[in-house]
Amino acid sequence: DTAVSQTPKYLVTQMGNDKSIKCEQNLGHDTMYWYKQDSKKFLKIMFSYNNKELIINETVPNRFSPKSPDKAHLNLHINSLELGDSAVYFCASSQGTHRAYEQYFGPGTRLTVT
Amino acid sequence: AQSVSQHNHHVILSEAASLELGCNYSYGGTVNLFWYVQYPGQHLQLLLKYFSGDPLVKGIKGFEAEFIKSKFSFNLRKPSVQWSDTAEYFCAVNPYNNNDMRFGAGTRLTVKP
Repeated sequence: DTAVSQTPKYLVTQMGNDKSIKCEQNLGHDTMYWYKQDSKKFLKIMFSYNNKELIINETVPNRFSPKSPDKAHLNLHINSLELGDSAVYFCASSQGTHRAYEQYFGPGTRLTVT
Repeated sequence: AQSVSQHNHHVILSEAASLELGCNYSYGGTVNLFWYVQYPGQHLQLLLKYFSGDPLVKGIKGFEAEFIKSKFSFNLRKPSVQWSDTAEYFCAVNPYNNNDMRFGAGTRLTVKP
């Protein structure tokens, strides 16, 4: 059983396109996150949702929009893709509302913008 | 602003050597501390965590870490590394009463057989 799943695993697209990445967790966790990992392996938090409510919204371009239809899902939509968006995007989840216990990460989505 | 520093960018060791990876954070309040490992091409996995109690915590695969509050440090150690420990290691800090999680820049460990 996959705890945190992401689709697709690989995404190759051209500049200017709009794409979405989906994330689902079956752990019953309250909080979900999106991270961007660049080519130097630097891991940067982008967004965090707790029970469908946005609680962390880091300085990312507004071309990135998270959507949480329910607390088990957190999708990431990216408009007008740019070359600099190429990275691996990780979804994660954790238990707890006011504290972050350990995070469980998805397998990642490698986005390549050409 | 809270930050997490991992001073070693790339560490190269031979098998059976001892390992210590540094992690310092700048947050002044109570924190939860974590070490994650990312094997090549894989996602992050939890190695160990510290919430409270004994400052020396043991994790999986023979790793341990020591929380030294006065030094704002949470260094990762392993007495004898194996080739299979080759991976990227991330220190992470979560402030108490907060869902935020901040990661260090990571340390790449290469273990030569």
